[in-house]
Amino acid sequence: AQSVTQLGSHVSVSEGALVLLRCNYSSSVPPYLFWYVQYPNQGLQLLLKYTSAATLVKGINGFEAEFKKSETSFHLTKPSAHMSDAAEYFCAVSAAAGGTSYGKLTFGQGTILTVHP
Amino acid sequence: EPEVTQTPSHQVTQMGQEVILRCVPISNHLYFYWYRQILGQKVEFLVSFYNNEISEKSEIFDDQFSVERPDGSNFTLKIRSTKLEDSAMYFCASSRQTTYNEQFFGPGTRLTVL
Repeated sequence: AQSVTQLGSHVSVSEGALVLLRCNYSSSVPPYLFWYVQYPNQGLQLLLKYTSAATLVKGINGFEAEFKKSETSFHLTKPSAHMSDAAEYFCAVSAAAGGTSYGKLTFGQGTILTVHP
Repeated sequence: EPEVTQTPSHQVTQMGQEVILRCVPISNHLYFYWYRQILGQKVEFLVSFYNNEISEKSEIFDDQFSVERPDGSNFTLKIRSTKLEDSAMYFCASSRQTTYNEQFFGPGTRLTVL
């Protein structure tokens, strides 16, 4: 069984400030981890993914995330927030290859990021 | 850039009515999914579909739900007799492979059951 917890349903930062969105996961098998972003009236767009290669993963729009197995975390960061980063962000987990899951994603509850000028 | 499309964007229906939500996945993708998000809650997995059959389904996906790929391009979700609690945003997704392959999501269909 897998689950994801995102700490903080709302995060507010100033433009230019560090963005940190927290994600902790639980998985009985080696996980693959994903961050998706959703802009208003749009579908979910993949930001980045961890698939058991490098633990520090770089994604689009300057975001990156670090897989820490000891902490069961996969926090999303960006050094300098931009107004266009305002959106809802979802962390998700799936079972790694060899599991019985056919790619099913289990999502966290989402974090709404607000960026102030 | 290829994308997943969904129609309609918003569907309003009366309780007990049947609804069909439509999705056109990306053309060379082999795996198809439906998820839903009730307002204020998590995005939840409903079902995955591969090679014209269901690969996996959640507890939510009971006998009232069915999926079909009728013509090689569309992927549909049918709810036979809608309930108030079926009101949600329904997302379709597709991927070339399972697990680590990116799932591409459509913009969603907002279903409102009155």
